Amino acid sequence: QQQVKQSPQSLIVQKGGIPIINCAYENTAFDYFPWYQQFPGKGPALLIAIRPDVSEKKEGRFTISFNKSAKQFSLHIMDSQPGDSATYFCAASKGNKLVFGAGTILRVKS
Amino acid sequence: KAGVTQTPRYLIKTRGQQVTLSCSPISGHRSVSWYQQTPGQGLQFLFEYFSETQRNKGNFPGRFSGRQFSNSRSEMNVSTLELGDSALYLCASSLGTGEQFFGPGTRLTVL
Repeated sequence: QQQVKQSPQSLIVQKGGIPIINCAYENTAFDYFPWYQQFPGKGPALLIAIRPDVSEKKEGRFTISFNKSAKQFSLHIMDSQPGDSATYFCAASKGNKLVFGAGTILRVKS
Repeated sequence: KAGVTQTPRYLIKTRGQQVTLSCSPISGHRSVSWYQQTPGQGLQFLFEYFSETQRNKGNFPGRFSGRQFSNSRSEMNVSTLELGDSALYLCASSLGTGEQFFGPGTRLTVL
């Protein structure tokens, strides 16, 4: 019940494309859903986060869509750039114990 | 504002030794959480400290322990190191609950 399932494992898009990464959770007690971006040799960087009382949140080129009834949420990256090539992690938490998805390796081709 | 700092950045130890890692949170942040990142298991929560008290704990053996000081700095200790403890150890800080900001990590290699 603590798992967060993330898909796909890897994704290749052309520059300007809109990669979409999906996550599903089981524990309905989770009340905070962040997305992190990680470059090789660096720690994860917080991109954007949402709480379950909101169905969508947009910050710059990043958008989270949240479906509480389906227990799913997704990240969309608009106008993707080669600099967005990184590993993306979704997570869910109640309190400060983050449960992470397995990660998605994104490559944006120029 | 300075970000989360972790020392050392790299560490090589041998099996059976113990190791202490340090984390300085963002100024004003009272919560420090520790995570282990490995290729096989991904990112896993170790424990969280808030105002010098352990507030949450993950599913790791008792060889993994931590503490937090009055200035919110935190240390993590791993005793009797095993090969499987080789990982990137990440520290994250937050004001209370919600947004957590990660440091660059300490890369531990156990030989």
